[in-house]
Amino acid sequence: SQQGEEDPQALSIQEGENATMNCSYKTSINNLQWYRQNSGRGLVHLILIRSNEREKHSGRLRVTLDTSKKSSSLLITASRAADTASYFCAANSGYSTLTFGKGTMLLVSP
Amino acid sequence: NAGVTQTPKFQVLKTGQSMTLQCAQDMNHEYMSWYRQDPGMGLRLIHYSVGAGITDQGEVPNGYNVSRSTTEDFPLRLLSAAPSQTSVYFCASTFDRPARNSPLHFGNGTRLTVT
Repeated sequence: SQQGEEDPQALSIQEGENATMNCSYKTSINNLQWYRQNSGRGLVHLILIRSNEREKHSGRLRVTLDTSKKSSSLLITASRAADTASYFCAANSGYSTLTFGKGTMLLVSP
Repeated sequence: NAGVTQTPKFQVLKTGQSMTLQCAQDMNHEYMSWYRQDPGMGLRLIHYSVGAGITDQGEVPNGYNVSRSTTEDFPLRLLSAAPSQTSVYFCASTFDRPARNSPLHFGNGTRLTVT
């Protein structure tokens, strides 16, 4: 079973618009992480938010975490065509394993 | 640093053949793991290791073996390949366990087809 589940499955926007992806998880966590995957490549870590944090920023990325609702969101502001990729959330399930969701495919059109 | 290196990039096997997917990291990471990625399924954990000499099963371990004789290497063995093992395999490593706020570094994957 998936610890993290992203929503929506696919998102299509124009350059300059903001993109928001959501993630829900099932059990208590120590942290939640977001990764990006370009076509045919490995995943790249974007940002990690700890369970005692509510919001975190990194460049054009903003991540929020609501532990009461077991949910997180990733906001990409002023999207660029180069942001086209799949985005995955991942949450630790237990101490030693990280479980990924199925991902959101983001398409940013020029 | 090369990071996480996976070989081969592509492999075609016949049903019943065995092979080893190689994974090496040069970051002195204690934690290493193998995932498989299938369309619509996301990434699923096969096996992981928290240090040399220690391995454990993930969500989908059947049909796969691992060993960790050194910190650097974490090979994944397919004992008798089946078409259901057609997938993209990713190796990932990090300096500590995921619950310790330690992000994963991924290799570029091995695309395996079993006919």
